[in-house]
Amino acid sequence: QLQLQESGSGLVRPSQTLSLTCGVSGASISSGDYSWTWIRQPPGRGLEWIGYIHHSGNTHYYPSLKNRVTIAVDRSKNRFSLRLNSVTAADTAFYYCARGGDFWSGYPFFEFWGQGVLVTVSS
Amino acid sequence: IVMTQSPATLSVSPGERATLSCRASESVSSNLAWYQQKPGQAPRLLIYGASTRATGIPARFSGSGSGTEFTLTISSLQSGDFVIYYCQQYNNWPQTFGQGTKVEIK
Repeated sequence: QLQLQESGSGLVRPSQTLSLTCGVSGASISSGDYSWTWIRQPPGRGLEWIGYIHHSGNTHYYPSLKNRVTIAVDRSKNRFSLRLNSVTAADTAFYYCARGGDFWSGYPFFEFWGQGVLVTVSS
Repeated sequence: IVMTQSPATLSVSPGERATLSCRASESVSSNLAWYQQKPGQAPRLLIYGASTRATGIPARFSGSGSGTEFTLTISSLQSGDFVIYYCQQYNNWPQTFGQGTKVEIK
């Protein structure tokens, strides 16, 4: 059974860079053409898609975050990562990693999710 | 594409039927998913393709609709169903979520 697990710093200073990693177990990140995805949710609010990556390194980013986001894949460690720079309090949220469908055909929905990690932006 | 869910809060008695709506600002064909989110947990995929239940989802959850109007029906509400539900369109770039409907005990 596929499992995803987020890890990283839970507290980030304003203007600094948020860094998270999603470890994948139960399947190889290099197998298939899935969309390895980051989604966030401010406390008490709705879901916002951040971006996703194919194991080849190809990416798609949400337009409003595109200038601050980098998603990368590490196939040797079976994981992918999120970096969000120049953070503000508005970036405080639960961050989830997820697996979506085929990267090359259409856009994904998300069947498998990590448990999520709360990242707080505060000085 | 803006996804609008209604109502924001739905009050239903246990054992009764719940009907949740999701409207798209333009057609998303049948590329619509529904998720359930319990407190402190990640969302769980319920429905994709507007009407196909995901693996392991009970038959009391059903989805319908196409184009711009979609419905999630829970035929007989059980205690664990009183949580928040989100729709998501994945037909157009960028894919977008609705703001959620909270189902509460009446």
